[in-house]
Amino acid sequence: NAGVTQTPKFQVLKTGQSMTLQCAQDMNHEYMSWYRQDPGMGLRLIHYSVGAGITDQGEVPNGYNVSRSTTEDFPLRLLSAAPSQTSVYFCASGGLAGFTDTQYFGPGTRLTVL
Amino acid sequence: DAKTTQPNSMESNEEEPVHLPCNHSTISGTDYIHWYRQLPSQGPEYVIHGLTSNVNNRMASLAIAEDRKSSTLILHRATLRDAAVYYCILSALSNYQLIWGAGTKLIIKP
Repeated sequence: NAGVTQTPKFQVLKTGQSMTLQCAQDMNHEYMSWYRQDPGMGLRLIHYSVGAGITDQGEVPNGYNVSRSTTEDFPLRLLSAAPSQTSVYFCASGGLAGFTDTQYFGPGTRLTVL
Repeated sequence: DAKTTQPNSMESNEEEPVHLPCNHSTISGTDYIHWYRQLPSQGPEYVIHGLTSNVNNRMASLAIAEDRKSSTLILHRATLRDAAVYYCILSALSNYQLIWGAGTKLIIKP
């Protein structure tokens, strides 16, 4: 199994540009989520999904959209990039099972918005 | 939502046990306690989790206070590879969210 994969690893955007961060998992996990991590800080939840077709907002959803058309994929869209969105983005997946299952994290995407 | 409080950093000597504390005084009865760690420039990785009883696995032990308002992650014999930021996290079953704190940076001295 490849686990959780994220592309791209690095990205530089100009203010106002849009882009999609890709996340895929091959473990048939129901739960997937996106986090952002600013320097020296913990992770903050952006959006999450408990299955295909079901998404919900986390702590910091503004400026981001998600969709979940398949179990495997959970892309994160930045609608109009702003310098405040400069961060490292992590995708994670795990089983539901009362939400006690291990969450597996991808390697992250480092995004810089100029 | 319940929050966790951890020391910003801790130091330990190599090959000695390490006890990482976490306070979660507002934990609800259905919140699980998870520990993850994050090595430099990597995504977090799972360490251990529990609800009420103490838990052991190959990586660590988790000691949970009887009132569940605090817990301690125990690394029995720290190595240099254990140097990381350790996060104590609560999982809220009510809304499927993991509640992350700021973490403890563990420094291992050779």
